[in-house]
Amino acid sequence: DTAVSQTPKYLVTQMGNDKSIKCEQNLGHDTMYWYKQDSKKFLKIMFSYNNKELIINETVPNRFSPKSPDKAHLNLHINSLELGDSAVYFCASSPIAGGAGIQYFGAGTRLSVL
Amino acid sequence: AQSVAQPEDQVNVAEGNPLTVKCTYSVSGNPYLFWYVQYPNRGLQFLLKYITGDNLVKGSYGFEAEFNKSQTSFHLKKPSALVSDSALYFCAVRDEGNKLVFGAGTILRVKS
Repeated sequence: DTAVSQTPKYLVTQMGNDKSIKCEQNLGHDTMYWYKQDSKKFLKIMFSYNNKELIINETVPNRFSPKSPDKAHLNLHINSLELGDSAVYFCASSPIAGGAGIQYFGAGTRLSVL
Repeated sequence: AQSVAQPEDQVNVAEGNPLTVKCTYSVSGNPYLFWYVQYPNRGLQFLLKYITGDNLVKGSYGFEAEFNKSQTSFHLKKPSALVSDSALYFCAVRDEGNKLVFGAGTILRVKS
């Protein structure tokens, strides 16, 4: 069983559309994250949830809205997609909130906005 | 602000030779430092971390890293490189906002 799974793996869409990426972890962790990796492989945190509560919210356009229905799931919804949103989005989880714990990453969702 | 720097975009090494991937850090207080590896089309995988204790940290796949406070470095090392070690390596530090801040990454190419 995959520990952190994301769907879809690839997402190709037009500018202006709304799309969602889903993430699930079966590790029993309380903390989940969304990261964005740009075309130069630079990786930056977007959001973090601890037990369904938002604890980190970086400077991200409000077109991006995370939702955590339970502590095993963290979804990312993006409204009005723009060309600059094209990137690989990674979900991760960890047993400890606050960056001291090991983070377990999903395989990524490659978003291409045309 | 806490940060890490990886001064080399790419490191090339021959199989069987020792490898070093460099990382320097800038933090206030005691650093929490990490190394992660990313294989093509995969998510990041944890290799090792330093929080406190011995300056030489051993991790997965035969990797180790040495914490050097005077040089503010946390270089990743392996005594004998394998072709399968070829990947993108990230150094990271926990910042004052309790989140991980990653370096720009270093591509490691091991040639047979």
